[in-house]
Amino acid sequence: GENVEQHPSTLSVQEGDSAVIKCTYSDSASNYFPWYKQELGKGPQLIIDIRSNVGEKKDQRIAVTLNKTAKHFSLHITETQPEDSAVYFCAASKLYSGGSNYKLTFGKGTLLTVNP
Amino acid sequence: ETGVTQTPRHLVMGMTNKKSLKCEQHLGHNAMYWYKQSAKKPLELMFVYNFKEQTENNSVPSRFSPECPNSSHLFLHLHTLQPEDSALYLCASSQDSPDTQYFGPGTRLTVL
Repeated sequence: GENVEQHPSTLSVQEGDSAVIKCTYSDSASNYFPWYKQELGKGPQLIIDIRSNVGEKKDQRIAVTLNKTAKHFSLHITETQPEDSAVYFCAASKLYSGGSNYKLTFGKGTLLTVNP
Repeated sequence: ETGVTQTPRHLVMGMTNKKSLKCEQHLGHNAMYWYKQSAKKPLELMFVYNFKEQTENNSVPSRFSPECPNSSHLFLHLHTLQPEDSALYLCASSQDSPDTQYFGPGTRLTVL
């Protein structure tokens, strides 16, 4: 089955700096890679996702890059703010043709702390 | 909010108790999921329901029993749990486009 490794497990940055979280996956058939943010006491919230037919996607201060050859993808947060502090999870999946259920394999998470 | 609600938010139970977790989604989705989140472990998929039919049971012990009476509601019935079952239990849903799951806030379960 799929295996997703996520690094680092903790990351501390100063407000305004950039933060980068990296994930690798094992199954070359995986083609969908979402990133989730989980704040204390809440469930994971989707913040950005990327499919294997693109190499990069941006949404304001957040970007995700994908290298299918190397089987790794990364989350980039620029101009970090204290409210970015949370646990971030990457995940990988193979989209099934037809039907609406599929399996996400998650990384172990990265605790990001943005210091004011 | 994501449109997925879970009750209760916190639950403490003894090993001989029977309790149920409830999940409701207001998004018109067709698939619903139960996940277990333990400290320092990846999210673990437990069950998947698609159009009310169970399509995935990820080798979950029988002391966890899911129920999906309709596409908007999902239950997890608990009985004779063990202390190691203490965790955050998350519900999620996705619609026909099979690429986005929306999570509820979770139920924090403590088994004494």
